[in-house]
Amino acid sequence: EDQVTQSPEALRLQEGESSSLNCSYTVSGLRGLFWYRQDPGKGPEFLFTLYSAGEEKEKERLKATLTKKESFLHITAPKPEDSATYLCAVQANTGANSKLTFGKGITLSVRP
Amino acid sequence: GAGVSQSPSNKVTEKGKDVELRCDPISGHTALYWYRQSLGQGLEFLIYFQGNSAPDKSGLPSDRFSAERTGGSVSTLTIQRTQQEDSAVYLCASSTTTGTGTQYFGPGTRLLVL
Repeated sequence: EDQVTQSPEALRLQEGESSSLNCSYTVSGLRGLFWYRQDPGKGPEFLFTLYSAGEEKEKERLKATLTKKESFLHITAPKPEDSATYLCAVQANTGANSKLTFGKGITLSVRP
Repeated sequence: GAGVSQSPSNKVTEKGKDVELRCDPISGHTALYWYRQSLGQGLEFLIYFQGNSAPDKSGLPSDRFSAERTGGSVSTLTIQRTQQEDSAVYLCASSTTTGTGTQYFGPGTRLLVL
């Protein structure tokens, strides 16, 4: 069974204080690892897809990396508007169903 | 362009009543997914539609849950004889293809069963 574990559950940072969010996963065969951002009362917003170990992607203050067992979302010099819940999900390459298996998310709060 | 839309945005119902939740995917997207997000839990897969193929219903939690997709576009998720444990946010997503097609989510329907 595919599993995704995210840590920590919650993270409080001071504006400008860089940190990393962890996503550990087990999957029968990885087709893709996805990061989403979710604001309160809204649906998840797509951030990145990573396909193979060693791959990295960046967008503004966010950088996602991937190994064979985990992914990190690095946040450099965060701002209050980066406060949100960050979701990690994996997609297996077995079968026709391309469903996503999600972790419980990491709630990030950035204080001004 | 327009994203995934869902209606209603909020629904309050009484235990035992039936509810219908609607999803309008992004135009041209052939794959459509329903997920459920309960308080303190991760998103949980419910059902998947791809083109004209038979849907994958492997995530539906009970036979009170059903879904259909008409004309390869709009989808309706129906919950019969609702229970309090059905209270959750129901999210719909669509993608252009299967495989690694990115899934884009709608805003969700917040269901509260009293």
